[in-house]
Amino acid sequence: DIQMTQSPSSLSASVGDRVTITCRASQGIRNDLGWYQQKPGKAPKRLIYAASSLQSGVPSRFSGSGSGTEFTLTISSLQPEDFATYYCLQHNSYPFTFGQGTKLEIK
Amino acid sequence: EVQLVESGGGLVQPGGSLRLSCAASGFTFSSYWMSWVRQAPGKGLEWVANIKEDGSEKYYVDSVKGRFTISRDNAKNSLYLQMNSLRAEDTAVYYCARAWSGSTSPDIWGQGTMVTVSS
Repeated sequence: DIQMTQSPSSLSASVGDRVTITCRASQGIRNDLGWYQQKPGKAPKRLIYAASSLQSGVPSRFSGSGSGTEFTLTISSLQPEDFATYYCLQHNSYPFTFGQGTKLEIK
Repeated sequence: EVQLVESGGGLVQPGGSLRLSCAASGFTFSSYWMSWVRQAPGKGLEWVANIKEDGSEKYYVDSVKGRFTISRDNAKNSLYLQMNSLRAEDTAVYYCARAWSGSTSPDIWGQGTMVTVSS
């Protein structure tokens, strides 16, 4: 199985900050990676697909990059509504696997 | 509006069975792969199973193989998860989600249904 190591597990930041979350795959997964945002009690929402493509309707302050084994999600200027938990998902091979999650909190 | 609505969750004893359903609307259900993903209380997301558009291919996480069965009825725009021999560690919110293919990430998710396995 492909292991996805996500870091950091938690992050404290302020409105307006630039933040970066990283996912590392235990083997190469090309660009078969998605990023999700989840708020408490809600379903996950896809932000990024194919590692770097922005989901329709998602603000442009979100961006993704990477290929192979290392991937990043960047939020260029944090907004109050961005405080949530973020997950990466590899869909290169079965079983699909998620990163452990990054909880983004207000400083 | 594209929508997925799960149902069928509840409290079940260890060793028992439960069948989850997911009703799809607002898109051509038979053109999409479908997934089940779960989330134990206070924990992260875990992919559970995928099924191809026509039901001819199915994939499972090891922890549910032989106990869970994913299926679909394209005439009813519905996805199912039959869960047998349930264990306490199966306690979770179960989400259904759609994907464009077997190698793409799910884009639309339902609101989830809670399954509690406890005596």
